[in-house]
Amino acid sequence: DAGVTQSPTHLIKTRGQHVTLRCSPISGHKSVSWYQQVLGQGPQFIFQYYEKEERGRGNFPDRFSARQFPNYSSELNVNALLLGDSALYLCASSLEPIQDNEQFFGPGTRLTVL
Amino acid sequence: QQQVKQSPQSLIVQKGGISIINCAYENTAFDYFPWYQQFPGKGPALLIAIRPDVSEKKEGRFTISFNKSAKQFSLHIMDSQPGDSATYFCAASPNYGQNFVFGPGTRLSVLP
Repeated sequence: DAGVTQSPTHLIKTRGQHVTLRCSPISGHKSVSWYQQVLGQGPQFIFQYYEKEERGRGNFPDRFSARQFPNYSSELNVNALLLGDSALYLCASSLEPIQDNEQFFGPGTRLTVL
Repeated sequence: QQQVKQSPQSLIVQKGGISIINCAYENTAFDYFPWYQQFPGKGPALLIAIRPDVSEKKEGRFTISFNKSAKQFSLHIMDSQPGDSATYFCAASPNYGQNFVFGPGTRLSVLP
């Protein structure tokens, strides 16, 4: 079985642009979460979606948005990019948004904002 | 109050030694405490997790010790191997979901 897949692998944007990151969860997983991992730090929670509904939101500005599609894949959108948005963006999927359901992380999308 | 503190920032251990990483939290709503292992270029992978109703959990060479009153928990890696060299993150989740709060990470190097 394929694990969590994310695309693209790497992305370079300039300040002010917008970006869309994509995530395909493990087959059968209905919950997707997004995390931002700045170099040298732990992942920071951005969003969680379950059954296409937003179930949780971290402390990120409104420039960050996400959605989940009927096939449970997800997109993370970031508008008006800032230099500080440069990070590894991780997607994680689980069967349900329950603590005991293990989250499986994808390899991430490395975003560089110039 | 949402922070999880982690120490040390980096750790060097000889092969066969014991690696110990410590974490502390403030938010009493946290009730699930996983540890993740991350290799370069990969996403974090769950290693072991504990709930506060037990003081210790062991899986193979990995043990979590949990002190609820002190709001501290630690990861012990016994018989450390060079293949254990990675960054380790402790995390905590409140009782209403999977919104994990991660510590800043510990870079472990196990020398052969």
